Parts: sequence; structure tokens; C-alpha cells
Amino acid sequence: DIQMTQSPSSLSASVRDRVTITCRASQSINRYLNWYQQKPGKAPKLLIYAASSLQSGVPSRFSGSGSGTDFTLTISSLQPEDFATYYCQQSYSTAFTFGPGTKVDIK
Amino acid sequence: EVQLVQSGAEVKKSGESLKISCKGSGYSFTSYWIGWVRQVTGKGLEWMGTISPGDSASRYSPSFQGQVTISADKSINTAYLQWSSLKASDTAMYYCARRYCSSISCYGDLKDSFDIWGQGTMVAVSS
Repeated sequence: DIQMTQSPSSLSASVRDRVTITCRASQSINRYLNWYQQKPGKAPKLLIYAASSLQSGVPSRFSGSGSGTDFTLTISSLQPEDFATYYCQQSYSTAFTFGPGTKVDIK
Repeated sequence: EVQLVQSGAEVKKSGESLKISCKGSGYSFTSYWIGWVRQVTGKGLEWMGTISPGDSASRYSPSFQGQVTISADKSINTAYLQWSSLKASDTAMYYCARRYCSSISCYGDLKDSFDIWGQGTMVAVSS
């Protein structure tokens, strides 16, 4: 199975901060990398697919980059509604795997 | 509106059987795979398996193979996740999600992702 890791596991940030989360795959996954946001008590929501494509309806302050094994999710200006946990997920193999998550909370 | 609606919360005892459901609407149910994802309280997301409702082809995570059964009834646009003998360690929230691909085969599709999620079904198993 392809293992996914994320760093940091948690971070504290302020509104309007620029936030970057990193995801790493145990082998090259090309650009088969998706990002999800999950708020407490809610289902995950797809933010970015194919490493850098913004899902319809997702604010443009979210962006993704990377290919191969290393990927990043960037929030250019953190908003109050962005405090949540973020997960990466690979779809290179149909044995899908998620990263362990990065919790973004208020400083 | 495209949506997945899951069955309600369940409280069961160890050793009991259970089948939870996920009903799709607003789209062609047989054109997209459905995945199941487990989330233990306070923990991360774990992919359990996926099924193609059109032909019931399925794929399981090695961690869940033999522990659960994923099925679908295309006549009522519903996918299922079932256990024959629950354990306390099965206590978790379970989500179904639509696997989006721009073509039915999904092969080599960079858009392969879980784009629509159900609201989740909480399963609590007491020992």
C-alpha cells in the first residue's frame, strides 16, 4: 500500500495568516493527490483534486501544488471558517489511502 | 441536488450483525463508484472499500477485507456496508462517498476523488 504522511500534525494560526500543509507519499503518485477539509461533526469536503485543481465552489485562497511524492496545500489568507482538519488522499492506486490529517486551530 | 443520504445511528452488541445504507440521488447512481470510509472518534479517515453499483464489482482495503461486506442494489440507488459479527472495535462513524471520475473506468483519471459525501452513520458497539 502507498503510505501517506502529513506535516505538521497540527498548527496554530491567526486569521489572515498564510498556512502551508505538506503531504508526502511513500512512492511516486504523479499528481493523483486530493485534499479534503473536515470540520468537527461534519463529513469531509473535497477541496482540491489532481494536486492543484480547485473543486467547484471552493474559495480561491486554497491552492495545491506538487507532483511525484511531495505536495502542499496552501491557504493564502486564513479565514475563521477555515479552522478544521485537512487530509490528503492518493488515488494513484485504487487501494486508496489518506494521510493522518493536519489540524488547524486558532492561535 | 446530488446527494448521498445514509441510514441512522446504530447501537448494537458484540456479535450482532448490522447493515447500514447509503442512498444516492440527483445523479446516475450506476455511473460512479461508491466508497466507504471509517473514522474512529478523534482519529483520521480510513478507506474501507469501494463498489461499482452498476455491476457490483468491489475492491477492499486489506485492513477490512473479510471483516465487512460492501454491496449495492442499483434498483433503489443504494449501497450497503454490513458486518456479520460486530466487535467493540467497530465503533466509529462510517461515511459513504461518491468516487468521481470523468470516465466510467477511472483508469488513469487524475480527477479520481471522493466528491460527494454522505452525512455519516455512527455505529456504537458495546461488549
